[in-house]
Amino acid sequence: EVQLVESGGGLIQPGRSLRLSCAASGFTFDDYAMHWVRRIPGKGLEWVSGINWNSATIAYADSVKGRFTISRDNAQNSLYLQMNNLKPEDTAFYFCAKDGSFAAATYYFDSWGQGTVVTVSS
Amino acid sequence: ETLLTQSPGTLSLSPGEGATLSCKASQIVTISYFAWYQQKPGQAPRLLVFGPSGRATGVPDRFRGGGSGTDFSLTISRLEPEDSAIYYCQQYESFPPTFGQGTKVEI
Repeated sequence: EVQLVESGGGLIQPGRSLRLSCAASGFTFDDYAMHWVRRIPGKGLEWVSGINWNSATIAYADSVKGRFTISRDNAQNSLYLQMNNLKPEDTAFYFCAKDGSFAAATYYFDSWGQGTVVTVSS
Repeated sequence: ETLLTQSPGTLSLSPGEGATLSCKASQIVTISYFAWYQQKPGQAPRLLVFGPSGRATGVPDRFRGGGSGTDFSLTISRLEPEDSAIYYCQQYESFPPTFGQGTKVEI
């Protein structure tokens, strides 16, 4: 059974940094692209960033480009999101999600974690 | 960016009834790159259907996606109380992948 467990969220002041982690199990981690998706209160779901299996291809939403960095450690079956210069509009539930396609990044998501909440407020 | 607009915002129905959720795209999307998700309170989102005929593991055939061009739908037949959730559409043909704002279904 695929399991994705996020951690690292919390209450943080604007301008500060936070690092989210996602521990994956139940599948061959380095066979799949991985993503971060967030749910902003009152605004629905927003794809944040994605990384292919070997970290050669990385993409970001315009809203976080230059501030967030996605990375993965295939030896540790882990996905990360380094979030710098956080803004109040980054307040959201952040979900780790597994790409639905083997080997390629197709950008639909067949497994999700429970999420970790990030609140950016002074 | 392809904007997805879902309607209605909330749907209140009784067990056994059918539901049709709509999703309108701001530009043409190929159904091969269209998906629907379900999210219940306190739970992770769950992939329901994807592409022209794909259904995620464990999803009953009461859930059926369809549509073409800019108009897509999720049909849920024989509603059950556990179908109460927010449903999101998503396109992944153009970058960035985008979601609709969600339709809340109350049973």
